[in-house]
Amino acid sequence: SQQGEEDPQALSIQEGENATMNCSYKTSINNLQWYRQNSGRGLVHLILIRSNEREKHSGRLRVTLDTSKKSSSLLITASRAADTASYFCATTGGAQKLVFGQGTRLTINP
Amino acid sequence: DTEVTQTPKHLVMGMTNKKSLKCEQHMGHRAMYWYKQKAKKPPELMFVYSYEKLSINESVPSRFSPECPNSSLLNLHLHALQPEDSALYLCASSQNHLRTGPFAGYTFGSGTRLTVV
Repeated sequence: SQQGEEDPQALSIQEGENATMNCSYKTSINNLQWYRQNSGRGLVHLILIRSNEREKHSGRLRVTLDTSKKSSSLLITASRAADTASYFCATTGGAQKLVFGQGTRLTINP
Repeated sequence: DTEVTQTPKHLVMGMTNKKSLKCEQHMGHRAMYWYKQKAKKPPELMFVYSYEKLSINESVPSRFSPECPNSSLLNLHLHALQPEDSALYLCASSQNHLRTGPFAGYTFGSGTRLTVV
């Protein structure tokens, strides 16, 4: 079974608004990563947060990690039409493999 | 070069055909991966190669046969596939397979969309 579960499954917002996606996982992790996928093509690595970190920023992206709740969130600020994509969290743990969550389909309306 | 290149981009094959998917990277990454992704689902790991040796096989049927000829190339040989094997096949690479040192995430190719008829 997949390690991470994400919510919401789908999110539709207006351009300029902020988008927040959540990810929960089940077992201990070494790190948690977020990826973006456009139209069923390749995934693009967005940001990685290590298990001993609580928050990380990269441009308009902000990721938080709460290991006590086994959860993470991805915030995209000032959304743009080009942010429309599917977003996946992925974790690595003792099994030494990258396992993806179910993903959130984000739609930014102009 | 910061890309993973996959060929072909699209492939239609019959159930009796033999075909191969190819993946190439020139970033000096020593770990390479095959993932399978069905529509509206997350990618699922198939194989991991670390330093050109198969380190993880996620119980993939033998009709899928991976090969890593050198540190830059990864192939997936296909034989006697079933229609349910139709999917997007993604190749990825990373600096190392979760060993010591910085771990910067995976670089994915654009995938091969496979249709089995």
